[in-house]
Amino acid sequence: SQTIHQWPATLVQPVGSPLSLECTVEGTSNPNLYWYRQAAGRGLQLLFYSVGIGQISSEVPQNLSASRPQDRQFILSSKKLLLSDSGFYLCAWSAQGRETQYFGPGTRLLVL
Amino acid sequence: AQTVTQSQPEMSVQEAETVTLSCTYDTSESDYYLFWYKQPPSRQMILVIRQEAYKQQNATENRFSVNFQKAAKSFSLKISDSQLGDAAMYFCAYNGQNFVFGPGTRLSVLP
Repeated sequence: SQTIHQWPATLVQPVGSPLSLECTVEGTSNPNLYWYRQAAGRGLQLLFYSVGIGQISSEVPQNLSASRPQDRQFILSSKKLLLSDSGFYLCAWSAQGRETQYFGPGTRLLVL
Repeated sequence: AQTVTQSQPEMSVQEAETVTLSCTYDTSESDYYLFWYKQPPSRQMILVIRQEAYKQQNATENRFSVNFQKAAKSFSLKISDSQLGDAAMYFCAYNGQNFVFGPGTRLSVLP
């Protein structure tokens, strides 16, 4: 069966520091991968999605970037965090096509 | 662009009773999927139920069922025999050319 991992689970970082959040998927190959951000009590905002290695699409211009160095690895990064980057970050995967998205456990990021 | 609307920010239901959460969407596509996700306090997003637009039969998963009205672009979720563990945020989602989430409905279950 497929599983999706995210780490770290919680992160507290100062403004201006770099960020790296990692997401890996097991039990499937060539998945679509997604990064979402969720503000407290709000819906999900799609940040990036990837249909293959090195293929990244950005939905919202921002302080963040994403990379997919391996088939089942998706990384969310920032060179300098802003206060507004605080939130709950969710990684998801789906099979190719209009399939169900399955979510990881998420990372809580607090920028101080 | 596709949009998903959930007009009920908050709902409550008595334990063992039935509750219906509303969702409407706007699209010009004919081939798409619809989903309901549950997000408990742990914030893990959990798939509750899924409906393919080309299927007329409403999807059912145990105590969870949907009322899919394609012409009206409506996709409501019915929870029967509500349990305390059903308390969560519920998100309606559309997947066509893009994956779009609604703003969510917070469901409280009263003992």
